[in-house]
Amino acid sequence: EAGVAQSPRYKIIEKRQSVAFWCNPISGHATLYWYQQILGQGPKLLIQFQNNGVVDDSQLPKDRFSAERLKGVDSTLKIQPAKLEDSAVYLCASSWDRVVTEAFFGQGTRLTVV
Amino acid sequence: AQSVSQHNHHVILSEAASLELGCNYSYGGTVNLFWYVQYPGQHLQLLLKYFSGDPLVKGIKGFEAEFIKSKFSFNLRKPSVQWSDTAEYFCAVNAPSGGGADGLTFGKGTHLIIQP
Repeated sequence: EAGVAQSPRYKIIEKRQSVAFWCNPISGHATLYWYQQILGQGPKLLIQFQNNGVVDDSQLPKDRFSAERLKGVDSTLKIQPAKLEDSAVYLCASSWDRVVTEAFFGQGTRLTVV
Repeated sequence: AQSVSQHNHHVILSEAASLELGCNYSYGGTVNLFWYVQYPGQHLQLLLKYFSGDPLVKGIKGFEAEFIKSKFSFNLRKPSVQWSDTAEYFCAVNAPSGGGADGLTFGKGTHLIIQP
């Protein structure tokens, strides 16, 4: 089966600019997660969707980050305006129902803010 | 909130050596435990997981992990490593809630290098 697709793979922007990342989960997967992985650290959950509804966004910096999952399939994560500390790999993951059934990760988008 | 601690950030072993990577978590309630691996240039993949039952779980590629509840530990083991095991290894936990939030909390990872 096709895996979780993310684009772009790499992005370089200047601080205060905006950026958007796209994720296409595995077909039929109801749950979608966005994680932020800063260099040298493990992934940190930003937001969890169940179909097109938000289940958990407690760690999402809502003053600058937003995410949506229209129609319960693809998802976009946006940062506006970006800060230097947002430099990280942004990972998307999906699972059939809950993470206990196994979450599949995409290759991520590496963001560099200069 | 839960947290995960991985004891070693970098481990270098020779082929055929035995491996044990430490993982401790902090959370007072029921948790699910996972080990993920990221090979160079690839995405995170699930190695094994523990929800309940036998505390010794077996995963892919000869890996196993033992859940010791009294020590809040979930150490990863492999009796004989291969060069192809060179990768980043992440321990993760989640504490399922009634509201459905079940995102993973990851440790910082252990970079494992196997020398031929």
